[in-house]
Amino acid sequence: EAQVTQNPRYLITVTGKKLTVTCSQNMNHEYMSWYRQDPGLGLRQIYYSMNVEVTDKGDVPEGYKVSRKEKRNFPLILESPSPNQTSLYFCASSPPGSQPQHFGDGTRLSIL
Amino acid sequence: LAKTTQPISMDSYEGQEVNITCSHNNIATNDYITWYQQFPSQGPRFIIQGYKTKVTNEVASLFIPADRKSSTLSLPRVSLSDTAVYYCLVGDKNFNKFYFGSGTKLNVKP
Repeated sequence: EAQVTQNPRYLITVTGKKLTVTCSQNMNHEYMSWYRQDPGLGLRQIYYSMNVEVTDKGDVPEGYKVSRKEKRNFPLILESPSPNQTSLYFCASSPPGSQPQHFGDGTRLSIL
Repeated sequence: LAKTTQPISMDSYEGQEVNITCSHNNIATNDYITWYQQFPSQGPRFIIQGYKTKVTNEVASLFIPADRKSSTLSLPRVSLSDTAVYYCLVGDKNFNKFYFGSGTKLNVKP
């Protein structure tokens, strides 16, 4: 089954404790992206990757890092999480220059 | 990256046709228009994409006037299960950066 898998689905942690949210897709897509969703603000793009070792900033990249060492994986790293990064996060993938994007089920992060 | 403006919310009743309009005044020549649907606690799901005139698939139609400064998503005969948030996106064919906006919350009543 074609899917984008995020882990964990839920996480409660504390300020400053480094965390990684993993994202894996099994569709051999070149393009992957991370979004955060906050009430009243819709989805905002954090980072995207057009292919292995190629990443670029979206609209809200501050406080986040990404890496793309393999085509199927695109982890989101919060080196020093802060409460304003409490949000619902989505990973997505698609073929290059194409829709639709396939989204994961989301990761709800709470940073205390 | 062209920004989009949509109504915050809409109400409808089962069996009615629903039209959601999106304004994108700064759309560029190479930009395409894409609509997504999102249910609570799920990732968005692609509905339809178009460049001009009319596009239709099994779930919706997309109407784009000649000036392309707006577009209308049409959902025929909605049901309760169509209650969701609908997002309009505008981007060039490469679609690397995306602006989802706040979307339109559609509430379908029995």
